[in-house]
Amino acid sequence: QKEVEQDPGPLSVPEGAIVSLNCTYSNSAFQYFMWYRQYSRKGPELLMYTYSSGNKEDGRFTAQVDKSSKYISLFIRDSQPSDSATYLCAPLEGAQKLVFGQGTRLTINP
Amino acid sequence: GAVVSQHPSWVICKSGTSVKIECRSLDFQATTMFWYRQFPKQSLMLMATSNEGSKATYEQGVEKDKFLINHASLTLSTLTVTSAHPEDSSFYICSARDWTSGSYEQYFGPGTRLTVT
Repeated sequence: QKEVEQDPGPLSVPEGAIVSLNCTYSNSAFQYFMWYRQYSRKGPELLMYTYSSGNKEDGRFTAQVDKSSKYISLFIRDSQPSDSATYLCAPLEGAQKLVFGQGTRLTINP
Repeated sequence: GAVVSQHPSWVICKSGTSVKIECRSLDFQATTMFWYRQFPKQSLMLMATSNEGSKATYEQGVEKDKFLINHASLTLSTLTVTSAHPEDSSFYICSARDWTSGSYEQYFGPGTRLTVT
């Protein structure tokens, strides 16, 4: 079993839709949970991160962590074609090791 | 925001030769840098953690004699792929952490695409 499981997609939705991206993990010691966005042939960029269980909102993006079920979610509201990318969840192991999920390829259709 | 650069952005080399990839933090000091490898349609796999002035820590299964890492300054780390073979063809990405910010955020470089023929 991989430490972090993420549906690779691809996921295709119409512009304006609400997108839900999810990951599960096995290591209960994870405390910080990152979401990265990666455009094709580029390095990942950090969207947001949360600490422990709870929600965090940043503009159109909301991250949720449920540590009891080891479930991580990222919601995108009012999705735009420019949101088309691969989204990677990455819990932090210890103080600095990111454990990446496989990534979900998302396409927003105009 | 913090910027990390990589050079070159892409490189083609012949089997058996060595290739050096540079990773620089442009506007912050990075005591720790990380090297990842990403195969097509797969996620990033951490290869090694590079600490300024000390030996790198390699992840299990990564050959330290093949992937030489040097972190000689607070803004530069290099990855040298020695005696490269076609199976080493991949997308290599570095990241750096700005310890002075107190944040856990890692800033990623744009990546280097290596093709070994």
